[in-house]
Amino acid sequence: EVQLVESGGGLVQPGGSLRLSCAASGFTFSSYEMNWVRQAPGKGLEWVSYISSSGSTIYYADSVKGRFTISRDNAKNSLYLQMNSLRAEDTAVYYCARDGRGSYSGCLDYWGQGTLVTVSS
Amino acid sequence: DIHMTQSPSSLSASVGDKVTITCRASQVIINSVAWYQQRPGKAPNLLVYATSRLHTGVPSRFTGAGSGTDYTLTIGSLEPDDFATYYCQQYFTYPYTFGQGTKLEIK
Repeated sequence: EVQLVESGGGLVQPGGSLRLSCAASGFTFSSYEMNWVRQAPGKGLEWVSYISSSGSTIYYADSVKGRFTISRDNAKNSLYLQMNSLRAEDTAVYYCARDGRGSYSGCLDYWGQGTLVTVSS
Repeated sequence: DIHMTQSPSSLSASVGDKVTITCRASQVIINSVAWYQQRPGKAPNLLVYATSRLHTGVPSRFTGAGSGTDYTLTIGSLEPDDFATYYCQQYFTYPYTFGQGTKLEIK
């Protein structure tokens, strides 16, 4: 069974930093591209970042570029999101999501349960 | 960026009704569309990918269609479990973008 479990969320002051983790199991993590997607309270879904299976290709949304860093450790079956210079508008539930393969490529076929990040003084 | 305009933003319907949700992309996205269902407090779940293919385990009452810039998700006969929020997503190019969502409520 595919499982994605996020952790690391919490309350942080504006300008602060936080590192999110996503532990993957039930599939060959090193073979899959991964994404972070966020959802502000009561709002819709916003794609945040993508990383290829090897980590060699990375994309960011303009809203987080230069402040957030996505990475992965295939030996540990883990995905990360380092978030710096946090702003109030970064407050959201952050989901890690697996990018499908083959005919599924590009859609997000499995999601974690999410971790809440609150940026407030 | 490709903008996805989803309509309606909310929809009231009864069990057994047929409903259709529409997404219009700001440019041609060549069938690179997925649909997700999200229940309150839960993560989104993939329903449909590549415009019309059902994800594993998704009931056949869900149907995706479309081409070019216009795509639809139809639920053939609503069941109580279907009352949720639905999102379209384009994955033709980065950044991936989502529609604003359609909240489907019980009439």
